[in-house]
Amino acid sequence: GNSVTQMEGPVTLSEEAFLTINCTYTATGYPSLFWYVQYPGEGLQLLLKATKADDKGSNKGFEATYRKETTSFHLEKGSVQVSDSAVYFCALSVGGGSNYKLTFGKGTLLTVNP
Amino acid sequence: GAVVSQHPSWVICKSGTSVKIECRSLDFQATTMFWYRQFPKQSLMLMATSNEGSKATYEQGVEKDKFLINHASLTLSTLTVTSAHPEDSSFYICSARYRAGTGGDEQFFGPGTRLTVL
Repeated sequence: GNSVTQMEGPVTLSEEAFLTINCTYTATGYPSLFWYVQYPGEGLQLLLKATKADDKGSNKGFEATYRKETTSFHLEKGSVQVSDSAVYFCALSVGGGSNYKLTFGKGTLLTVNP
Repeated sequence: GAVVSQHPSWVICKSGTSVKIECRSLDFQATTMFWYRQFPKQSLMLMATSNEGSKATYEQGVEKDKFLINHASLTLSTLTVTSAHPEDSSFYICSARYRAGTGGDEQFFGPGTRLTVL
């Protein structure tokens, strides 16, 4: 089956520090990969995505590269801000049609201190 | 990006009553919507897939008679928690599937509904 394993938190960083949140996956088929962010008390927002190998998704200074050879999609940001404090979810989807659905990792809580 | 709304954003009810949560896709038609449940500090648990004009598909372990899902139109799905009990208290999140064509499908999420059963 499909599964996503992401780095367990919580992760606490100082402002302007470098961020990496690891994510690896197993999938039957050729997945699309996503990072979602959830701010306190809110729903999920799509942060970035990649649909094929070697694609790099990027948004708001965050980046992740689809690595088929290592089945990974690690999230990085060069300089985090306090406003980046949130829970980050790695996810995948495989194919379309009636079987389409997202499979999520457990989430990683990031806290950025000033 | 596409917008999905949920109503209400929070609700408090007495044990034994039923609560209905609405999920709407505001600027696109969604033949498929999803309902998730999220426990504190945990990931999202998919409860069911809601397909417009047909019965919902429930995940294993989810009581279909307790969590009634209706997807009556291409922009609206509802989740009704029947005879709610305190253990049903949770954060319920819906999402709508956006058919993005060659760019791949995406799910857009609602802001969530906090249900508290007293």
